[in-house]
Amino acid sequence: EAEVAQSPRYKITEKSQAVAFWCDPISGHATLYWYRQILGQGPELLVQFQDESVVDDSQLPKDRFSAERLKGVDSTLKIQPAELGDSAMYLCASSLVVHETQYFGPGTRLLVL
Amino acid sequence: KQEVTQIPAALSVPEGENLVLNCSFTDSAIYNLQWFRQDPGKGLTSLLLIQSSQREQTSGRLNASLDKSSGRSTLYIAASQPGDSATYLCAVGPMDSSYKLIFGSGTRLLVRP
Repeated sequence: EAEVAQSPRYKITEKSQAVAFWCDPISGHATLYWYRQILGQGPELLVQFQDESVVDDSQLPKDRFSAERLKGVDSTLKIQPAELGDSAMYLCASSLVVHETQYFGPGTRLLVL
Repeated sequence: KQEVTQIPAALSVPEGENLVLNCSFTDSAIYNLQWFRQDPGKGLTSLLLIQSSQREQTSGRLNASLDKSSGRSTLYIAASQPGDSATYLCAVGPMDSSYKLIFGSGTRLLVRP
């Protein structure tokens, strides 16, 4: 069964350092989402792509976060510089089309020291 | 602004019990609603998706209902098993094109053997 892949699974970094997360959606899925989940809360959308275009990045802290999906397939989320408050689980999801079931990857757990 | 609330925040039941998890949302203008399961430290697994025109969806021992006018959904789990122990999250999908899922904080379920 096709799955969403994410790497790394865990990342420990010091504040002010740069970190990057990678996501490979299910093949053929045009829509890709990055979420951030703080412990004990539900995920919150950071950015949504339709193919290579950003559809919604209203909740992305653009002074430090960036996301790209250059060829409309895999995607990278970057944080520079990382802050203590960025410690969270970063989840990637994909769907065949908008409004349909989203399939989530295993996530990347980030700890900023 | 759409808000999603899940009650209770935590639930502990003996094995074999039938149980109901509740989800309420403030804006009835939704496209659909999804229920997810999340195991500790893992990503989300989609359980059921209910379109706004539907009243319920069933998958095995799970049944989800939707009352859009009252802003409520329930997830019914029949004959609970220890393997059902996880956090259950509901998320509403809006009508607009960005389809930013709005999640509740989840109900943490423990099924005791």
